[in-house]
Amino acid sequence: DAGVTQSPTHLIKTRGQQVTLRCSPKSGHDTVSWYQQALGQGPQFIFQYYEEEERQRGNFPDRFSGHQFPNYSSELNVNALLLGDSALYLCASSLSRTSGGSDTQYFGPGTRLTVL
Amino acid sequence: AQSVTQLGSHVSVSEGALVLLRCNYSSSVPPYLFWYVQYPNQGLQLLLKYTTGATLVKGINGFEAEFKKSETSFHLTKPSAHMSDAAEYFCAVTVDSWGKLQFGAGTQVVVTP
Repeated sequence: DAGVTQSPTHLIKTRGQQVTLRCSPKSGHDTVSWYQQALGQGPQFIFQYYEEEERQRGNFPDRFSGHQFPNYSSELNVNALLLGDSALYLCASSLSRTSGGSDTQYFGPGTRLTVL
Repeated sequence: AQSVTQLGSHVSVSEGALVLLRCNYSSSVPPYLFWYVQYPNQGLQLLLKYTTGATLVKGINGFEAEFKKSETSFHLTKPSAHMSDAAEYFCAVTVDSWGKLQFGAGTQVVVTP
């Protein structure tokens, strides 16, 4: 059973460019969350997708947007890149149940984005 | 709003010694608590979680953690450190029904021979 996969592994962009990161959830999972992990810090929640809708969003500007496809895979798009967007971007998947948030989130290996 | 504080950004332990990583949380409602481990250049792996029930939680690789509501703590321990335990450890909390995780800043563990 494949776990959460992310592509690409590494990415180098310049300021002002746009980037798209991709995530395939663990088999059977229907919810995808994205986190940004800056160097030396804990991951910060960006947003969560469920049933192809953004269900919840963290404190990130509108330059960060996403999408979820019918097969539950997801994309994270970042427009007008800033130097401060350099980070490890983590995707996590889970199965939404009526368990009040206790479900385990399974993380992918991440995409390392460097903005020059 | 909930928050997580991990005491000590770096911890050095000798191989075979006790590993103790401290985590305190603030929350107005009963939280769900998690410990994740991150090895270099990898994603996060769940070590253990507390939801309800028994306050002493056992996880993978010999780790365990105890939920203490009165102290708002969820410290992680392992009786005997192994070289393979060298990694970064994150404590996290979620209090919303959709499982949004809020992480601490992390503790880097170094294991010396």
